[in-house]
Amino acid sequence: EPEVTQTPSHQVTQMGQEVILRCVPISNHLYFYWYRQILGQKVEFLVSFYNNEISEKSEIFDDQFSVERPDGSNFTLKIRSTKLEDSAMYFCASIIRDRTYEQYFGPGTRLTVT
Amino acid sequence: DQQVKQNSPSLSVQEGRISILNCDYTNSMFDYFLWYKKYPAEGPTFLISISSIKDKNEDGRFTVFLNKSAKHLSLHIVPSQPGDSAVYFCAASSSNTGKLIFGQGTTLQVKP
Repeated sequence: EPEVTQTPSHQVTQMGQEVILRCVPISNHLYFYWYRQILGQKVEFLVSFYNNEISEKSEIFDDQFSVERPDGSNFTLKIRSTKLEDSAMYFCASIIRDRTYEQYFGPGTRLTVT
Repeated sequence: DQQVKQNSPSLSVQEGRISILNCDYTNSMFDYFLWYKKYPAEGPTFLISISSIKDKNEDGRFTVFLNKSAKHLSLHIVPSQPGDSAVYFCAASSSNTGKLIFGQGTTLQVKP
């Protein structure tokens, strides 16, 4: 069964450093999303991406964040200058979105900013 | 942002009995609702969904009920099994955006 994959599973970085989180969505899916979950809090929407551009972003997704689909398979989230409060689980999700709205999530990347 | 709320942080039931997880929402624009199950250190796994044009959807042991007038949905698991022990998230979406708004989650423990 096809699944969303994410790398790395755990990333430790120092404050101020740039990180790139990578995702490979399910191959025939058209819409891509990033969410994050700070420890003990709810899963929060960051950004949605369709047709090579951002379709919606949350207030969390400020100028420090960017997304790219550099090739036909990868979908990346970049944080330019990490802050302590960026420490969280980051989940990528994808969906066909023809008649249904079930998003399929990857296993997540745990980002620890020290 | 409390558009989707799960007021019970935890629920404990005996194996074989029914588990009922509840969720309330405030935004009338939501027209699609989903339940996800999550284990520690894993991503949310899709369980079952319901469109706002329906009031019930069933898939095996899982049934979701939607009460639009009360802005309330519930997930019934019957019979509950120990393998169902996990965190359950309710999520809502509007078809014009597609983004999911999640509740805080309910930790379900099914005791053998």
